Amino acid sequence: GAVVSQHPSWVICKSGTSVKIECRSLDFQATTMFWYRQFPKQSLMLMATSNEGSKATYEQGVEKDKFLINHASLTLSTLTVTSAHPEDSSFYICSAATGLNYGYTFGSGTRLTIV
Amino acid sequence: QKEVEQNSGPLSVPEGAIASLNCTYSDRGSQSFFWYRQYSGKSPELIMFIYSNGDKEDGRFTAQLNKASQYVSLLIRDSQPSDSATYLCAVNRYGANNLFFGTGTRLTVIP
Repeated sequence: GAVVSQHPSWVICKSGTSVKIECRSLDFQATTMFWYRQFPKQSLMLMATSNEGSKATYEQGVEKDKFLINHASLTLSTLTVTSAHPEDSSFYICSAATGLNYGYTFGSGTRLTIV
Repeated sequence: QKEVEQNSGPLSVPEGAIASLNCTYSDRGSQSFFWYRQYSGKSPELIMFIYSNGDKEDGRFTAQLNKASQYVSLLIRDSQPSDSATYLCAVNRYGANNLFFGTGTRLTVIP
């Protein structure tokens, strides 16, 4: 149980385009999802907390107009990287809180490369 | 001071040995503690969680928590080459919805 599906697993886009990443909880309802970014050989950096039916909470230094988060249902959160540039290239990972006994389950991650 | 600190390693152990991974945290209000394993290019996967002081065993893995010392560790017995990965310690503070991650310790098990 407690599976989080993330798509796409990788994407290559031209600079200036927008990219949408989806994160779905498959067998549970996730009122809260988290979006992380991870650069090579670095740890996870929390970007924002996505709450179903309300605005996301962004961490300091993360541009909310660039990283648009939508959590319209209890099973789906999306992250859209708008006007992406090469410096946005990274590994983006979502996770959902499944309840105390399960901890937090991660999606498989999206490798974003902007060329 | 970082919320969660880990020795970045790399830590190398021979196959069959015990690998010991350590983590300290700064907030005494922290409630729950998690160990994740992350293979290169993959997302983290949960190995164990622990809430109470003492030891918790699951197969070859043992998590140890000492709240007085603000210290949590992970022991891997009979280490296998497939255990080679980065191990992330994560902490959930009281009242916080998200996890605070350490920078991870890279473990290499030498055949």
